[in-house]
Amino acid sequence: DTGVSQDPRHKITKRGQNVTFRCDPISEHNRLYWYRQTLGQGPEFLTYFQNEAQLEKSRLLSDRFSAERPKGSFSTLEIQRTEQGDSAMYLCASSQFSHGAFFGQGTRLTVV
Amino acid sequence: DQQVKQNSPSLSVQEGRISILNCDYTNSMFDYFLWYKKYPAEGPTFLISISSIKDKNEDGRFTVFLNKSAKHLSLHIVPSQPGDSAVYFCAGYSGAGSYQLTFGKGTKLSVIP
Repeated sequence: DTGVSQDPRHKITKRGQNVTFRCDPISEHNRLYWYRQTLGQGPEFLTYFQNEAQLEKSRLLSDRFSAERPKGSFSTLEIQRTEQGDSAMYLCASSQFSHGAFFGQGTRLTVV
Repeated sequence: DQQVKQNSPSLSVQEGRISILNCDYTNSMFDYFLWYKKYPAEGPTFLISISSIKDKNEDGRFTVFLNKSAKHLSLHIVPSQPGDSAVYFCAGYSGAGSYQLTFGKGTKLSVIP
């Protein structure tokens, strides 16, 4: 296990379609985070899991977004009815205890 | 409300010289700060961190300084190398809760050979 893995790396979708991204964290990490990054900005927090429990959600996470982490291992982030404003880099990160998170390479979403 | 500010969008430094990247924060609840480095089309890579109870942490060529009274931190890279050219993000978090990171907008460092 060499780090956080995200799939796919790139996704192009038409407006109105649903998309799902997957994240596999570092295996011993119990915390998993989703962030979103747009051009010229730093990553922005979306949601956080401790094991399988989703404990915090940002107000950026509209009701079109849903995230899961069944069994406390991998996580999925689904966006329903995509809009052009959803185009961004979606980053997954994991951590153990209270130290800083380790990020995956991200999924670049383009909504056309 | 931007809780972490990196006021310099870009910085150019000659190879071998010191690079100093600055970061200001407003949230007094932050008790840990981190620096990340990011290349295009990749996720951020953790560089170095500092606890709010310390004022300096060093790791090889990288040193982070924290001035709590001024709510300011800086990352020093010495000597700078062309491979250090990337966008650097400062981030803070509070240990009370999810440990979510609040990032600045980043500073693009260019190290000129």
